[in-house]
Amino acid sequence: DQQVKQNSPSLSVQEGRISILNCDYTNSMFDYFLWYKKYPAEGPTFLISISSIKDKNEDGRFTVFLNKSAKHLSLHIVPSQPGDSAVYFCAARRVERGGTSYGKLTFGQGTILTVHP
Amino acid sequence: DSGVTQTPKHLITATGQRVTLRCSPRSGDLSVYWYQQSLDQGLQFLIQYYNGEERAKGNILERFSAQQFPDLHSELNLSSLELGDSALYFCASSVRSGGNEQFFGPGTRLTVL
Repeated sequence: DQQVKQNSPSLSVQEGRISILNCDYTNSMFDYFLWYKKYPAEGPTFLISISSIKDKNEDGRFTVFLNKSAKHLSLHIVPSQPGDSAVYFCAARRVERGGTSYGKLTFGQGTILTVHP
Repeated sequence: DSGVTQTPKHLITATGQRVTLRCSPRSGDLSVYWYQQSLDQGLQFLIQYYNGEERAKGNILERFSAQQFPDLHSELNLSSLELGDSALYFCASSVRSGGNEQFFGPGTRLTVL
């Protein structure tokens, strides 16, 4: 049962244009969402996050949008640069019974972003 | 560099064997998480420790066990290894148990022949 889905395995974008990476989730108990970037032979690197009480969070070239009613989030990268080429994972954290969040993350399968010069 | 270290970087072993993977969290982080990334499964949460105590468990096999020591480093023990255990094993750490951002180590690539 895949609770976090990234339906696009890959995305190709021209340098300077916008990259939009999408993520859908099914579990309404998720209260916090994160995006990680991963280069080959390295661990995932935290990029940006958003709490379920917000619908947008911005950090430089990166903006994450959350649509709770659609259970959908997206990561916008503007402008895209060749160094952004990597695998992008979205992840979600769930509030457990009693309101405690233990930090366990559920990851999507990842989207390979290629930014062409 | 996330500040999380993992050793060894690569491990090649045979079926039926037992291995230990080691993780040192970022300075000041009390919580350690283990994840497995295999080709067909993506990143899967295995287990979490917070200040020496097990806090949450995911789809961790009974052949696998972990612990967190008083100095906060953690070890993941994998026994009776099978071919399907070949994967990348990542350790992550965060300040709190429900820490929002987890910082990942570079991973240990395990190959079971």
